[in-house]
Amino acid sequence: DADVTQTPRNRITKTGKRIMLECSQTKGHDRMYWYRQDPGLGLQLIYYSFDVKDINKGEISDGYSVSRQAQAKFSLSLESAIPNQTALYFCATSDPGGPTGDTQYFGPGTRLTVL
Amino acid sequence: GESVGLHLPTLSVQEGDNSIINCAYSNSASDYFIWYKQESGKGPQFIIDIRSNMDKRQGQRVTVLLNKTVKHLSLQIAATQPGDSAVYFCAENIMDSNYQLIWGAGTKLIIKP
Repeated sequence: DADVTQTPRNRITKTGKRIMLECSQTKGHDRMYWYRQDPGLGLQLIYYSFDVKDINKGEISDGYSVSRQAQAKFSLSLESAIPNQTALYFCATSDPGGPTGDTQYFGPGTRLTVL
Repeated sequence: GESVGLHLPTLSVQEGDNSIINCAYSNSASDYFIWYKQESGKGPQFIIDIRSNMDKRQGQRVTVLLNKTVKHLSLQIAATQPGDSAVYFCAENIMDSNYQLIWGAGTKLIIKP
């Protein structure tokens, strides 16, 4: 969905490096999410935010942190990357008051490789 | 969210046949259900949704059936095409709440020529 963009799309880094993944949306949604997906598996929620002042841990938040700089921006950081954080990372937004309930709209993903 | 650490089940279907993908949901309080399609290398995309006051909803070539008694959801794809190859996820939620979407494990649909 072009309304949700992620940068970078691909990143290769080394163990111990700090990495930030950016997400921007033009949908005007209050809710934003970061998910991780490992090959052949489903989605795991890392963090989510219901508005600019709200940050909540998901099921796998250890090793990650987030910042909600504005309604339209939600960034994910890996303070000290490790190889088992190699995965596909998705940002999503939702609007629970919209016509399709809390349907989430996903960005194109960031493929992160930690060597 | 629910644990999604299991490898994806796979469904192989002949091109032109109908596909039925099943999902068991976990929370009896859930009243809103969504099917997503994820093509290789892309983010999940919304296909169709259904609210708990309905037991069937149809879209273009897709139908979702909801059985609240046994907490079961299914996605039917008519006349399956090669472009339907993807992983399909169901998700459940409680409308007008702060509850998170609960994601199903996903099913990989493979189309045989």
